[in-house]
Amino acid sequence: NAGVMQNPRHLVRRRGQEARLRCSPMKGHSHVYWYRQLPEEGLKFMVYLQKENIIDESGMPKERFSAEFPKEGPSILRIQQVVRGDSAAYFCASSPNGGRHNQPQHFGDGTRLSIL
Amino acid sequence: GDSVTQMEGPVTLSEEAFLTINCTYTATGYPSLFWYVQYPGEGLQLLLKATKADDKGSNKGFEATYRKETTSFHLEKGSVQVSDSAVYFCALSVNTGNQFYFGTGTSLTVIP
Repeated sequence: NAGVMQNPRHLVRRRGQEARLRCSPMKGHSHVYWYRQLPEEGLKFMVYLQKENIIDESGMPKERFSAEFPKEGPSILRIQQVVRGDSAAYFCASSPNGGRHNQPQHFGDGTRLSIL
Repeated sequence: GDSVTQMEGPVTLSEEAFLTINCTYTATGYPSLFWYVQYPGEGLQLLLKATKADDKGSNKGFEATYRKETTSFHLEKGSVQVSDSAVYFCALSVNTGNQFYFGTGTSLTVIP
């Protein structure tokens, strides 16, 4: 499967724990985007990364959330000290030409995060 | 700012009925417009796109025309099938930014 791969598909955490969500972009894609989808809502942009660089994090909460896309390996979205309000589906998308607005972004199947 | 307003659902149709899902947008730059479909438990799949005014995107019997004068990109299908049951999202991206802006989604259920 050469599509965007996200894991885990489902993640359960207790309040105060850390959540790590992983995303491997499509082959040949070097631009990664993270979105959050709350129940009954559309997707909200969180962060845009290229290899080893955060390009736009205007949608990221200022505290507890961080993202990285290392030279080797998947992109990671990290949520520290999770709270109930973090329960959502988190989607990763990739594109071959970041900033080319007329090109579609390709989405993974998402990680459903549930906070107990 | 940039945003998408999408017809609220849920929408329930009988098989072979005509479908319209309305989508209007506001954009500070020059937008490209997209429709994505999401099946239960899955991610978003690109359905169609249009990158300039008067372009018509089409795929699997679905169509949408980029109307700059009315800032709209309505999704249509002449005869829906049960397998079209899903949530449909209208989205835009602009030449001045990095992100996509999504509508809230319209849930479609097609009954036999």
